Amino acid sequence: GAGVSQSPSNKVTEKGKDVELRCDPISGHTALYWYRQSLGQGLEFLIYFQGNSAPDKSGLPSDRFSAERTGGSVSTLTIQRTQQEDSAVYLCASTVQGGIYNEQFFGPGTRLTVL
Amino acid sequence: QQQVKQSPQSLIVQKGGISIINCAYENTAFDYFPWYQQFPGKGPALLIAIRPDVSEKKEGRFTISFNKSAKQFSLHIMDSQPGDSATYFCAPFRRGSYIPTFGRGTSLIVHP
Repeated sequence: GAGVSQSPSNKVTEKGKDVELRCDPISGHTALYWYRQSLGQGLEFLIYFQGNSAPDKSGLPSDRFSAERTGGSVSTLTIQRTQQEDSAVYLCASTVQGGIYNEQFFGPGTRLTVL
Repeated sequence: QQQVKQSPQSLIVQKGGISIINCAYENTAFDYFPWYQQFPGKGPALLIAIRPDVSEKKEGRFTISFNKSAKQFSLHIMDSQPGDSATYFCAPFRRGSYIPTFGRGTSLIVHP
């Protein structure tokens, strides 16, 4: 079956612009995660969804970052007034259900470059 | 506070050699110990995982060794191949949590 897909694969934007990143999880997966990966760094947790609710937003770095999930499926991560330090690869992952023992299935990521 | 310390940061081995990557943790509530493999331009993918009721798990050329008393677990890649060249992350999971704690990653290069 289809895996996790993300779009766009690459996004170049100017400082101060808003961007939207999209994630299509595996059908039937109730849990969805967003991570950020900077060059040569590990994965930084941003937000976790269970269904359409986000019980953990603790990783969002500032109020310029927001995310939503609709229909228990597609999720959008929005970054307002982008800054150069927002440049990174944004990864989405989904699991059958949130929690321990559940394999995270990752998308290929969106590479964001803020000029 | 860094809950997970992964080492080394980078590793170069010759084809056929053994690659060993370590992950040390502080939180004794961690109860599930996966390793993820990431190729350039791709998202990470689960490679192998272990639960704390066993000390070792082997899948093909990949083995996890778990030392509960030392609070560390390691990934061993036997007969390393150039196709194993990737970044490897440990990502232990705390009981009751919904979010794994990723290590900073180890870049492995296997020379032919």
